[in-house]
Amino acid sequence: QKEVEQNSGPLSVPEGAIASLNCTYSDRGSQSFFWYRQYSGKSPELIMFIYSNGDKEDGRFTAQLNKASQYVSLLIRDSQPSDSATYLCAVKDGSYKLIFGSGTRLLVRP
Amino acid sequence: GAGVSQSPSNKVTEKGKDVELRCDPISGHTALYWYRQSLGQGLEFLIYFQGNSAPDKSGLPSDRFSAERTGGSVSTLTIQRTQQEDSAVYLCASSRDSKDGYTFGSGTRLTVV
Repeated sequence: QKEVEQNSGPLSVPEGAIASLNCTYSDRGSQSFFWYRQYSGKSPELIMFIYSNGDKEDGRFTAQLNKASQYVSLLIRDSQPSDSATYLCAVKDGSYKLIFGSGTRLLVRP
Repeated sequence: GAGVSQSPSNKVTEKGKDVELRCDPISGHTALYWYRQSLGQGLEFLIYFQGNSAPDKSGLPSDRFSAERTGGSVSTLTIQRTQQEDSAVYLCASSRDSKDGYTFGSGTRLTVV
């Protein structure tokens, strides 16, 4: 059973701080990794993807991948109250199916 | 269209009735997926369509669930003899090909009473 694990949270950070969201996965054959943001009552929205070890930056977001440790993280710099949402980590094993974690709820305090 | 369109947005049905959920993917997207999200839970894979290939139905929870995709575009998920445990948000997603991340529709919230 391929699994993706996330701490359910909530992770509470003050406005302007860096929020660090973490995810581990069980399948060493996993090849691509995605972060989705889901606001309450809404559908998931793709915000980042990463395929190679290291960091990938997009604006205030940085995705980090360590395949040896089977670990993916998402950093959100200068966190804003509008970033408050559930963040879903998803892993693809080289085929087509995304396996989702259960998500981490982020609260950014004004 | 500009995004993945799902209908209806909400559906309340009586236990034992059949329901049909519709998904219209982004134009040109060959891959289409159905997922289910129960309250407070993660996303559960149901079925995958890619072009004219045979679908991957491995996530369908029982034989009461079926799906089809006509003309490589619109998809319909059918649940027969609905049960209360079928209550969830049913999410459709599409992608340009199977390697890309998905774009989700706004979902259909199904409530079985």
